[in-house]
Amino acid sequence: DTEVTQTPKHLVMGMTNKKSLKCEQHMGHRAMYWYKQKAKKPPELMFVYSYEKLSINESVPSRFSPECPNSSLLNLHLHALQPEDSALYLCASSQEFQGNQPQHFGDGTRLSIL
Amino acid sequence: DAKTTQPPSMDCAEGRAANLPCNHSTISGNEYVYWYRQIHSQGPQYIIHGLKNNETNEMASLIITEDRKSSTLILPHATLRDTAVYYCIVRVSLTLDNQGGKLIFGQGTELSVKP
Repeated sequence: DTEVTQTPKHLVMGMTNKKSLKCEQHMGHRAMYWYKQKAKKPPELMFVYSYEKLSINESVPSRFSPECPNSSLLNLHLHALQPEDSALYLCASSQEFQGNQPQHFGDGTRLSIL
Repeated sequence: DAKTTQPPSMDCAEGRAANLPCNHSTISGNEYVYWYRQIHSQGPQYIIHGLKNNETNEMASLIITEDRKSSTLILPHATLRDTAVYYCIVRVSLTLDNQGGKLIFGQGTELSVKP
């Protein structure tokens, strides 16, 4: 069982829709991450939040907008996505961004863009 | 780019030890090696990590060579449920004093445990 909870598990949306992915952890972790994983490929880092502030944006298009409203929650707001954005979106958390404690992943949201 | 190289696939008989190799010849002195696995339709699961000493936990053992250019993950008694993609990852430091780093996943090894 994962300690990082992602909702929804599946999402189908049109290119003009606005939707949000949610991630929650209650391990007291202060770093949270978004990854994108295409089929048969490894996960790729998108964003890192440390103490609720954006620390890394891996040149992600602006149609993806992250938000960290508090230390337990991480959102990814989606708008005007393209079919190539269909993927598994993974959230992870770790004790700190600095340091070497491992990241713990949720089971992801499988996103399909029509 | 990922700093690790792994064989794309391996087979292992159920009940035998699975030894998964990983090369990381460009690893820096303060960069850790992490192992994760991903079972189909799930998120990556943390297994173990280390810097230079060998490590063991309830899931696996990690053997790191003295020059730190390679490592081996050992699953002592593989079961069918260990069938997964195994990722060896070097956490890339973003600053000289290792204040912040990121995991860059390579292609991984697809381990098939067979009865």
